[in-house]
Amino acid sequence: KAGVTQTPRYLIKTRGQQVTLSCSPISGHRSVSWYQQTPGQGLQFLFEYFSETQRNKGNFPGRFSGRQFSNSRSEMNVSTLELGDSALYLCASSLEAGGGEQYFGPGTRLTVT
Amino acid sequence: AQSVTQLDSQVPVFEEAPVELRCNYSSSVSVYLFWYVQYPNQGLQLLLKYLSGSTLVKGINGFEAEFNKSQTSFHLRKPSVHISDTAEYFCAVTRGSTLGRLYFGRGTQLTVWP
Repeated sequence: KAGVTQTPRYLIKTRGQQVTLSCSPISGHRSVSWYQQTPGQGLQFLFEYFSETQRNKGNFPGRFSGRQFSNSRSEMNVSTLELGDSALYLCASSLEAGGGEQYFGPGTRLTVT
Repeated sequence: AQSVTQLDSQVPVFEEAPVELRCNYSSSVSVYLFWYVQYPNQGLQLLLKYLSGSTLVKGINGFEAEFNKSQTSFHLRKPSVHISDTAEYFCAVTRGSTLGRLYFGRGTQLTVWP
């Protein structure tokens, strides 16, 4: 069974631009969570989606948003990029909502210049 | 709020030596506990999990962890490490009301020397 896939793997953007990251969960998994990883803040939870609905949201500004499609694939969007948004963005999937056990993709490395 | 403390940011050991990576959490409610490993330029790989039942949990690659409720700890151990175990290890916790949200420690960099 294929793992969690994320596209693109690397991205370079300029301050003020917006970006969309994509995540395809493991086949049969219905819940997708997103995390931001930086050297300064570590791993921080962004949001969780299940059945196209956001179930949990972390402490991030409204510039960070996401959505989930009927096939469980998910996208996250960051608008008006700031230098501090440079990070590794990780997507994780689990079988059910609040499934606890999450499986991570390889991440998208976003660099904002 | 959940809090996860990994007591050592770096742990250097020699090959074939035993290792323990320490993790403490703060929570007044039941939690689920996990250890993940991250190799350079990769995502997180689940090593093992504690959901319920036996407090000694065995995972992949010869790792095991023991859940100690009274000490709110979930330390990771391996009796004999290999150079290939060099990586960053993260302890994580989630709880009943927000199971889809993992709270992570700051990570422990394990470096195995020949």
